[in-house]
Amino acid sequence: EAGVAQSPRYKIIEKRQSVAFWCNPISGHATLYWYQQILGQGPKLLIQFQNNGVVDDSQLPKDRFSAERLKGVDSTLKIQPAKLEDSAVYLCASSGSWTGLYTDTQYFGPGTRLTVL
Amino acid sequence: AQSVAQPEDQVNVAEGNPLTVKCTYSVSGNPYLFWYVQYPNRGLQFLLKYITGDNLVKGSYGFEAEFNKSQTSFHLKKPSALVSDSALYFCAVNPRSGGYNKLIFGAGTRLAVHP
Repeated sequence: EAGVAQSPRYKIIEKRQSVAFWCNPISGHATLYWYQQILGQGPKLLIQFQNNGVVDDSQLPKDRFSAERLKGVDSTLKIQPAKLEDSAVYLCASSGSWTGLYTDTQYFGPGTRLTVL
Repeated sequence: AQSVAQPEDQVNVAEGNPLTVKCTYSVSGNPYLFWYVQYPNRGLQFLLKYITGDNLVKGSYGFEAEFNKSQTSFHLKKPSALVSDSALYFCAVNPRSGGYNKLIFGAGTRLAVHP
């Protein structure tokens, strides 16, 4: 079974530029998550989708971050404009239940390492 | 506030010796508990989880974890460490509140197993 796919793996941009990350979850997984992992910290949830609807975006800096999952499968996360403090690894995860059960295990992709100069 | 603490930034163990990576949490109710491992330049890999039942949970690669409700702890253990176990380990908690399947992670513990 293929895992969660993410691209690009690495990205370097100047501050105030925009950037987009792509994620393709495990086939059949209804729930998709984006996490931000700053160096030396654990991942922090940015946004959670159930199918193509947002169920939790309370930690997403909406003035600069946006995310979509138009067809309920793959997803993109965008930052515009980027700030220095956005330098981090952006992890995508997916889980299987159509109801978002608490017992669902989340499976993570390899992440995108973003460096903002 | 809900939080997860991993009190040790790094744990050093000799190969063949038992290892313990500590985790405590501050979450009300009966959360679900998880351990993940992260190798360099790779995403998090699921190791094991506690949902209910036996306090000792067995997972991948010979790892196990002991849930202690009174101490709100979920320590990761392995009877005999391997050099290949060297990685970054994260404890995570699902608070089971708000209708969301969200995880709150600790800051991670780096495990170094020496030959």
